[in-house]
Amino acid sequence: EVQLVESGGGLVQPGRSLRLSCAASGFTLDDYAMHWVRQAPGKGLEWVSGISWNSYSIAYVDSVKGRFTISRDNAKSSLYLQMSGLRVEDTAFYYCVKGIRKYVDGEGDFDYWGQGTLVTVSS
Amino acid sequence: QSVLTQPPSASGTPGQRVTISCSGSSSNIGNNYVYWYQQLPGTAPKLLIYRNNQRPSGVPDRFSGSRSGTSASLAISGLRSEDETDYYCAAWDDSLSGVVFGGGTKLTVL
Repeated sequence: EVQLVESGGGLVQPGRSLRLSCAASGFTLDDYAMHWVRQAPGKGLEWVSGISWNSYSIAYVDSVKGRFTISRDNAKSSLYLQMSGLRVEDTAFYYCVKGIRKYVDGEGDFDYWGQGTLVTVSS
Repeated sequence: QSVLTQPPSASGTPGQRVTISCSGSSSNIGNNYVYWYQQLPGTAPKLLIYRNNQRPSGVPDRFSGSRSGTSASLAISGLRSEDETDYYCAAWDDSLSGVVFGGGTKLTVL
């Protein structure tokens, strides 16, 4: 059974940093691209970032470029999102999401989602 | 303002067929596959339709997808009360080099 478990969310002040982690199990992580998708409370879905199976290809939504860094450790079956320069508008549930393919670009293909971790940016 | 445009709401009665539209452009729907996700209240989204019209195993054949030009549609036939929830379309956008979602459609079963 595929399981994705996020951790690392919490309350943080504007301008500070936070690192999200995702522990993957039930599948071989290095066979798939992985993504982070966020959802502000009561709002719609927004793709944040994706990373290919071998970390060679990485993409970000414009609003987080230069502030967020996605990475993965296939040996540890883990996905990460390092967030810096956090803004109030980054407040959201952050979902760790498994891709259907090895690659990030070309499709919005997500087949398994974690339950999400809430990041609240507030002073 | 989402890159893909969905109606904020849709409704139907039990047993009816309803469709939810998703409008985009040549840089996303017009050139790339469309995906549909269903999100039940308080839960993570679930893949409903992939590559325009393919159903993952376990998704009832009451759900179907289609794409024409720069628009796509999700159709739900034999509407049931448990279908009352939020639906999102998504596609890769070549100009933005990222995945874009529709704003979501809340389906009400009357």
